[in-house]
Amino acid sequence: DGGITQSPKYLFRKEGQNVTLSCEQNLNHDAMYWYRQDPGQGLRLIYYSQIVNDFQKGDIAEGYSVSREKKESFPLTVTSAQKNPTAFYLCASSPVEGLSYEQYFGPGTRLTVT
Amino acid sequence: GQQLNQSPQSMFIQEGEDVSMNCTSSSIFNTWLWYKQEPGEGPVLLIALYKAGELTSNGRLTAQFGITRKDSFLNISASIPSDVGIYFCAGQLSASWGKLQFGAGTQVVVTP
Repeated sequence: DGGITQSPKYLFRKEGQNVTLSCEQNLNHDAMYWYRQDPGQGLRLIYYSQIVNDFQKGDIAEGYSVSREKKESFPLTVTSAQKNPTAFYLCASSPVEGLSYEQYFGPGTRLTVT
Repeated sequence: GQQLNQSPQSMFIQEGEDVSMNCTSSSIFNTWLWYKQEPGEGPVLLIALYKAGELTSNGRLTAQFGITRKDSFLNISASIPSDVGIYFCAGQLSASWGKLQFGAGTQVVVTP
Protein backbone atom coordinates (compact mmCIF):
# COMPACT_ATOMS: atom_id res chain seq x y z
CA ASP A 1 0.00 0.00 0.00
CA GLY A 2 1.13 3.57 -0.69
CA GLY A 3 2.74 5.78 1.87
CA ILE A 4 5.78 7.52 3.25
CA THR A 5 8.42 5.73 5.27
CA GLN A 6 11.04 7.29 7.48
CA SER A 7 13.86 5.44 9.10
CA PRO A 8 14.97 4.98 11.72
CA LYS A 9 12.22 5.86 14.20
CA TYR A 10 14.76 6.85 16.87
CA LEU A 11 18.31 8.05 16.25
CA PHE A 12 21.03 8.93 18.73
CA ARG A 13 24.22 10.76 17.84
CA LYS A 14 27.12 12.42 19.54
CA GLU A 15 27.62 16.13 19.12
CA GLY A 16 29.86 16.97 16.15
CA GLN A 17 28.69 14.07 13.99
CA ASN A 18 26.68 14.42 10.81
CA VAL A 19 23.61 12.21 10.55
CA THR A 20 21.34 11.37 7.60
CA LEU A 21 17.62 10.75 7.95
CA SER A 22 15.88 8.66 5.33
CA CYS A 23 12.56 9.44 3.63
CA GLU A 24 10.97 7.31 0.90
CA GLN A 25 7.55 7.62 -0.71
CA ASN A 26 5.64 5.43 -3.16
CA LEU A 27 2.73 7.83 -3.69
CA ASN A 28 4.20 9.01 -7.01
CA HIS A 29 4.26 12.57 -5.65
CA ASP A 30 6.58 15.08 -7.28
CA ALA A 31 7.08 17.29 -4.22
CA MET A 32 8.73 16.34 -0.95
CA TYR A 33 9.37 18.29 2.23
CA TRP A 34 11.29 18.17 5.50
CA TYR A 35 9.94 19.72 8.69
CA ARG A 36 11.25 20.05 12.18
CA GLN A 37 8.93 19.86 15.20
CA ASP A 38 9.81 21.04 18.69
CA PRO A 39 7.57 20.63 21.74
CA GLY A 40 4.67 23.08 21.83
CA GLN A 41 5.42 24.47 18.40
CA GLY A 42 4.04 24.06 14.95
CA LEU A 43 6.01 22.50 12.16
CA ARG A 44 8.83 24.51 10.62
CA LEU A 45 9.96 23.92 7.04
CA ILE A 46 13.60 22.98 6.52
CA TYR A 47 13.83 22.16 2.80
CA TYR A 48 11.46 21.26 0.01
CA SER A 49 11.76 19.87 -3.49
CA GLN A 50 9.24 20.14 -6.32
CA ILE A 51 11.14 17.98 -8.78
CA VAL A 52 14.10 15.64 -8.99
CA ASN A 53 17.51 17.34 -8.81
CA ASP A 54 16.01 20.58 -7.52
CA PHE A 55 15.30 21.80 -3.99
CA GLN A 56 14.77 25.06 -2.10
CA LYS A 57 15.55 26.25 1.40
CA GLY A 58 12.70 26.60 3.81
CA ASP A 59 12.53 28.82 6.88
CA ILE A 60 15.23 27.06 8.94
CA ALA A 61 17.70 25.51 6.44
CA GLU A 62 20.91 26.48 8.25
CA GLY A 63 22.84 23.43 9.40
CA TYR A 64 20.90 21.04 7.14
CA SER A 65 21.43 19.65 3.65
CA VAL A 66 19.33 17.55 1.28
CA SER A 67 19.53 15.76 -2.05
CA ARG A 68 16.85 14.68 -4.52
CA GLU A 69 18.39 12.18 -6.93
CA LYS A 70 15.25 10.06 -7.22
CA LYS A 71 11.57 10.96 -7.20
CA GLU A 72 10.92 8.52 -4.37
CA SER A 73 13.69 9.62 -2.02
CA PHE A 74 14.57 12.84 -0.18
CA PRO A 75 17.23 12.26 2.49
CA LEU A 76 18.04 14.96 5.04
CA THR A 77 21.50 15.39 6.55
CA VAL A 78 21.77 17.13 9.89
CA THR A 79 25.27 18.54 10.00
CA SER A 80 27.45 19.43 12.95
CA ALA A 81 26.76 23.08 12.12
CA GLN A 82 23.16 22.75 13.33
CA LYS A 83 23.27 24.29 16.79
CA ASN A 84 20.28 22.55 18.31
CA PRO A 85 19.62 19.36 16.32
CA THR A 86 17.61 17.41 18.89
CA ALA A 87 14.04 17.38 17.55
CA PHE A 88 11.33 15.34 15.85
CA TYR A 89 11.82 15.37 12.07
CA LEU A 90 8.93 14.86 9.68
CA CYS A 91 9.02 14.18 5.97
CA ALA A 92 6.03 14.89 3.74
CA SER A 93 5.06 14.66 0.09
CA SER A 94 2.42 16.16 -2.15
CA PRO A 95 1.39 16.26 -5.80
CA VAL A 96 2.19 19.46 -7.70
CA GLU A 97 -0.55 19.41 -10.33
CA GLY A 98 -3.90 21.11 -10.07
CA LEU A 99 -5.00 22.85 -6.90
CA SER A 100 -3.86 20.18 -4.47
CA TYR A 101 -1.61 21.48 -1.74
CA GLU A 102 -2.35 18.56 0.52
CA GLN A 103 0.79 17.26 2.16
CA TYR A 104 0.99 13.74 3.52
CA PHE A 105 3.38 12.97 6.33
CA GLY A 106 5.59 10.06 7.30
CA PRO A 107 5.78 8.67 10.86
CA GLY A 108 8.77 10.84 11.81
CA THR A 109 12.28 10.31 13.17
CA ARG A 110 13.18 11.45 16.67
CA LEU A 111 16.81 12.58 16.71
CA THR A 112 18.66 13.01 19.99
CA VAL A 113 22.12 14.54 19.98
CA THR A 114 24.19 14.48 23.18
CA GLY B 1 8.01 32.32 10.33
CA GLN B 2 4.77 31.18 11.86
CA GLN B 3 1.83 33.42 10.95
CA LEU B 4 -1.11 31.41 12.22
CA ASN B 5 -2.67 31.91 15.64
CA GLN B 6 -4.36 28.71 16.78
CA SER B 7 -6.60 28.58 19.83
CA PRO B 8 -7.19 27.26 22.32
CA GLN B 9 -3.79 25.82 23.15
CA SER B 10 -5.38 22.90 25.00
CA MET B 11 -8.80 21.55 25.87
CA PHE B 12 -9.87 19.12 28.56
CA ILE B 13 -13.33 17.79 27.80
CA GLN B 14 -15.64 14.99 28.78
CA GLU B 15 -16.61 12.23 26.43
CA GLY B 16 -19.66 13.23 24.44
CA GLU B 17 -18.94 16.96 24.45
CA ASP B 18 -18.35 19.00 21.32
CA VAL B 19 -14.98 20.62 20.62
CA SER B 20 -14.26 23.81 18.72
CA MET B 21 -10.94 25.31 17.71
CA ASN B 22 -9.85 27.96 15.27
CA CYS B 23 -6.94 29.47 13.43
CA THR B 24 -6.59 33.10 12.49
CA SER B 25 -4.07 35.11 10.53
CA SER B 26 -3.46 38.59 9.20
CA SER B 27 -2.68 37.03 5.80
CA ILE B 28 -5.02 35.70 3.15
CA PHE B 29 -4.84 31.98 2.46
CA ASN B 30 -6.11 30.03 -0.55
CA THR B 31 -6.10 26.66 1.21
CA TRP B 32 -6.71 25.52 4.76
CA LEU B 33 -5.79 22.06 6.01
CA TRP B 34 -6.52 20.39 9.33
CA TYR B 35 -4.31 17.62 10.68
CA LYS B 36 -4.37 15.38 13.75
CA GLN B 37 -1.18 14.14 15.37
CA GLU B 38 -0.93 11.40 17.97
CA PRO B 39 2.12 11.09 20.25
CA GLY B 40 5.25 10.02 18.42
CA GLU B 41 3.53 9.87 15.04
CA GLY B 42 3.27 12.05 11.96
CA PRO B 43 0.26 14.31 11.37
CA VAL B 44 -2.67 12.78 9.50
CA LEU B 45 -4.69 14.93 7.14
CA LEU B 46 -8.32 15.25 8.28
CA ILE B 47 -9.91 17.89 6.07
CA ALA B 48 -8.83 20.15 3.21
CA LEU B 49 -10.64 23.39 2.34
CA TYR B 50 -10.16 25.31 -0.91
CA LYS B 51 -12.92 27.93 -1.17
CA ALA B 52 -13.92 30.82 1.07
CA GLY B 53 -17.07 29.90 2.98
CA GLU B 54 -16.63 26.18 2.28
CA LEU B 55 -17.97 23.85 4.97
CA THR B 56 -16.66 20.27 4.84
CA SER B 57 -17.34 17.28 7.07
CA ASN B 58 -15.42 14.09 7.71
CA GLY B 59 -17.47 11.93 10.06
CA ARG B 60 -17.85 13.81 13.34
CA LEU B 61 -15.42 16.49 12.17
CA THR B 62 -16.56 19.67 10.44
CA ALA B 63 -14.27 22.42 9.21
CA GLN B 64 -14.98 25.78 7.63
CA PHE B 65 -12.94 28.12 5.46
CA GLY B 66 -13.63 31.63 6.76
CA ILE B 67 -15.28 34.16 4.46
CA THR B 68 -12.40 36.61 4.86
CA ARG B 69 -9.93 33.81 3.92
CA LYS B 70 -7.94 34.73 7.03
CA ASP B 71 -9.36 32.10 9.35
CA SER B 72 -10.64 28.54 9.65
CA PHE B 73 -12.56 26.54 12.24
CA LEU B 74 -12.68 22.89 13.21
CA ASN B 75 -15.45 21.29 15.23
CA ILE B 76 -15.54 17.78 16.66
CA SER B 77 -18.97 16.59 17.70
CA ALA B 78 -19.74 14.03 20.40
CA SER B 79 -16.09 13.46 21.32
CA ILE B 80 -14.80 9.98 22.09
CA PRO B 81 -11.55 8.87 23.79
CA SER B 82 -9.78 8.24 20.47
CA ASP B 83 -10.15 11.94 19.58
CA VAL B 84 -7.22 12.59 21.93
CA GLY B 85 -4.31 14.20 20.14
CA ILE B 86 -2.96 17.48 18.85
CA TYR B 87 -4.88 19.15 16.06
CA PHE B 88 -2.99 21.46 13.72
CA CYS B 89 -4.25 23.93 11.19
CA ALA B 90 -2.14 24.72 8.16
CA GLY B 91 -2.63 27.40 5.55
CA GLN B 92 -1.28 27.85 2.06
CA LEU B 93 -0.52 31.44 1.17
CA SER B 94 -1.56 32.48 -2.32
CA ALA B 95 1.92 33.43 -3.45
CA SER B 96 4.02 30.69 -1.90
CA TRP B 97 3.43 27.30 -3.45
CA GLY B 98 4.22 24.33 -1.28
CA LYS B 99 5.02 26.35 1.82
CA LEU B 100 2.38 25.65 4.42
CA GLN B 101 2.18 27.81 7.54
CA PHE B 102 1.27 25.80 10.64
CA GLY B 103 -0.49 26.75 13.82
CA ALA B 104 1.08 25.69 17.13
CA GLY B 105 -1.63 23.09 17.69
CA THR B 106 -4.57 22.45 20.00
CA GLN B 107 -4.10 19.57 22.43
CA VAL B 108 -7.36 17.74 23.07
CA VAL B 109 -7.76 15.51 26.11
CA VAL B 110 -10.98 13.52 26.46
CA THR B 111 -11.95 12.06 29.81
CA PRO B 112 -14.54 9.28 30.14
